[in-house]
Amino acid sequence: QVQLHESGPGLVKPSETLSLTCTVSDGSISSYYWNWIRQPPGKGLEWIGYIYYSGSTKYNPSLTSRVTISVDTSKNQFSLNLSSVTAADTAVYYCARDCRKLGSSTFCDGMDVWGQGTTVTVSS
Amino acid sequence: QLVLTQSPSASASLGASVKLTCTLSSDYSTYAIAWLQQQPEKGPRYLMKLNSDGSHSKGDGIPDRFSGSSSGTERYLTISSLQSEDEGDYYCQTWGTGIRVFGGGTKLSVL
Repeated sequence: QVQLHESGPGLVKPSETLSLTCTVSDGSISSYYWNWIRQPPGKGLEWIGYIYYSGSTKYNPSLTSRVTISVDTSKNQFSLNLSSVTAADTAVYYCARDCRKLGSSTFCDGMDVWGQGTTVTVSS
Repeated sequence: QLVLTQSPSASASLGASVKLTCTLSSDYSTYAIAWLQQQPEKGPRYLMKLNSDGSHSKGDGIPDRFSGSSSGTERYLTISSLQSEDEGDYYCQTWGTGIRVFGGGTKLSVL
């Protein structure tokens, strides 16, 4: 069963860049879409963006000016960079798998595999 | 605009049933959704995909107590024989080309 694991610094200073990596294990990164989601303390889930294993991306319009998601298929990893962070970016960050592409068709069942989450605090 | 609306809270007694609702914005009545469960202090767990015709496919290990149904723009999650571990937040989630959307979540209390 595929597993996801987030890693990265737990503390980031204001105005700096938050960088996280999600490692995909017991499965291939190929053919799937891979998402980043965050959850501020006491609040709901917010989609940040996704990357297809080939490298195409889409971001939440509210974050698009600050977000970059990249993939390294050789390491079965994908990464999140969020620039110019403020205290409002303090959250638990999750990675998750969803849709799968087979040929020209895309099949979606929702975000069916999640990492355990990593807490990122923005503070000086 | 693709939006999912959920009631903020729900409650039901131990052993009873509860039906949670997720409403799609009006132009999206054919869209499927997914239901997710988040127990306190844990990450989200996938429950099922729910189609517009009410057919659903559950994730691995999800008990038969969890079922889904649909009517128009509304998508439902029914939990029967409520147990204490069912307490937590329930989110609906959907997708389109270039977009993923979450509902605001429903906090379920088991009395």
